[in-house]
Amino acid sequence: GIQVEQSPPDLILQEGANSTLRCNFSDSVNNLQWFHQNPWGQLINLFYIPSGTKQNGRLSATTVATERYSLLYISSSQTTDSGVYFCALRMDSSYKLIFGSGTRLLVRP
Amino acid sequence: SAVISQKPSRDICQRGTSLTIQCQVDSQVTMMFWYRQQPGQSLTLIATANQGSEATYESGFVIDKFPISRPNLTFSTLTVSNMSPEDSSIYLCSVEEFTDYFASVHMNTEAFFGQGTRLTVV
Repeated sequence: GIQVEQSPPDLILQEGANSTLRCNFSDSVNNLQWFHQNPWGQLINLFYIPSGTKQNGRLSATTVATERYSLLYISSSQTTDSGVYFCALRMDSSYKLIFGSGTRLLVRP
Repeated sequence: SAVISQKPSRDICQRGTSLTIQCQVDSQVTMMFWYRQQPGQSLTLIATANQGSEATYESGFVIDKFPISRPNLTFSTLTVSNMSPEDSSIYLCSVEEFTDYFASVHMNTEAFFGQGTRLTVV
């Protein structure tokens, strides 16, 4: 099956710093999403981005489908950005959403 | 996007008992999904809840342990049966919303999740 790898697994930042999270995948996909799981366990949709670049405030994401990776950029990080970031994707002709192992982010004040 | 209400939000249960988790959506959806997230792990799909037919279970999950109901297009339940401490996890329901077409014929969808049920079995 498709392999999804996220890096780094853990990240500690000082408030105000920028960071880049990466999601590599092993097969062509028609759906890629980024989620933020807050400390209470809730999954929050960040981006639906099977290809191209999107921006939402301090966050932006880029997916290069032909090279099988996606990047999530967090600028001017805040303590409320702490939590786990997941990429999840769906292969062509499959109904199943496959999650990466996540990047655990801690932003210190 | 659809509003998904899941309850309970958390529970502590005795081993050997069962817990039923409810998922209510504010609009009709074709497919609903149930996921499990074990402590410190990623999400794993348990099953797809189909309205009018039996749920479709993923490898490693069986109906006797995780019976699912889908009485209509806005509601589903997942029961965790005969619980043991290994069942301690976050359980999440999910729905898919249409976004666009892929290659002109395949529908792309975006997944949205309920707030999750944090289950602790003692």
